[in-house]
Amino acid sequence: AQSVTQLGSHVSVSEGALVLLRCNYSSSVPPYLFWYVQYPNQGLQLLLKYTTGATLVKGINGFEAEFKKSETSFHLTKPSAHMSDAAEYFCAVSTPGAAGGTSYGKLTFGQGTILTVHP
Amino acid sequence: ETGVTQSPTHLIKTRGQQVTLRCSSQSGHNTVSWYQQALGQGPQFIFQYYREEENGRGNFPPRFSGLQFPNYSSELNVNALELDDSALYLCASSMDSPYEQYFGPGTRLTVT
Repeated sequence: AQSVTQLGSHVSVSEGALVLLRCNYSSSVPPYLFWYVQYPNQGLQLLLKYTTGATLVKGINGFEAEFKKSETSFHLTKPSAHMSDAAEYFCAVSTPGAAGGTSYGKLTFGQGTILTVHP
Repeated sequence: ETGVTQSPTHLIKTRGQQVTLRCSSQSGHNTVSWYQQALGQGPQFIFQYYREEENGRGNFPPRFSGLQFPNYSSELNVNALELDDSALYLCASSMDSPYEQYFGPGTRLTVT
């Protein structure tokens, strides 16, 4: 079974400050890891993903995340927050498999972190 | 290229009624997954359809059922609605890759 824990349901930063959203996962096999963003009354947009290879992954809007196997973490960062970053962020995990395999690409999400950016 | 669309946007139903939600996959995508997102929670996996067959199910009762059509569009049906079924229902489509799932905007279901 796999699970995701996001530390901090609410994070507040000032515009221009570092954004750090924490995610820890549990998986019995090497995971695929994702960060999604959700703006009010909208669906989910993929920010970035880790599958294999380089452990530091870069995504859209200046976000990046680092896969640390020893810490079972996949924290999301952005050097300088912008007002438009205010949204809810979800970390998710899935396990690899073959197309057509049971629940192929099934995502298990964390509870979400609401990011507030102050002027 | 058209993205994932869902209809209706909002829906209000009474406890005990039945509801059908619709999802149109991104062009060429053969896999559709449905998720339930209760207020203040992360999305929960309901089930997945791959090439018109159910391909895995989360911890949801049988009154949650679905279909996938030859054009890969999909329906989610919920019978005997309960108050706790009030949520945002999201569908996501993909094509032979678990890494690129595209989500629709969701249907907000309110059960009174």
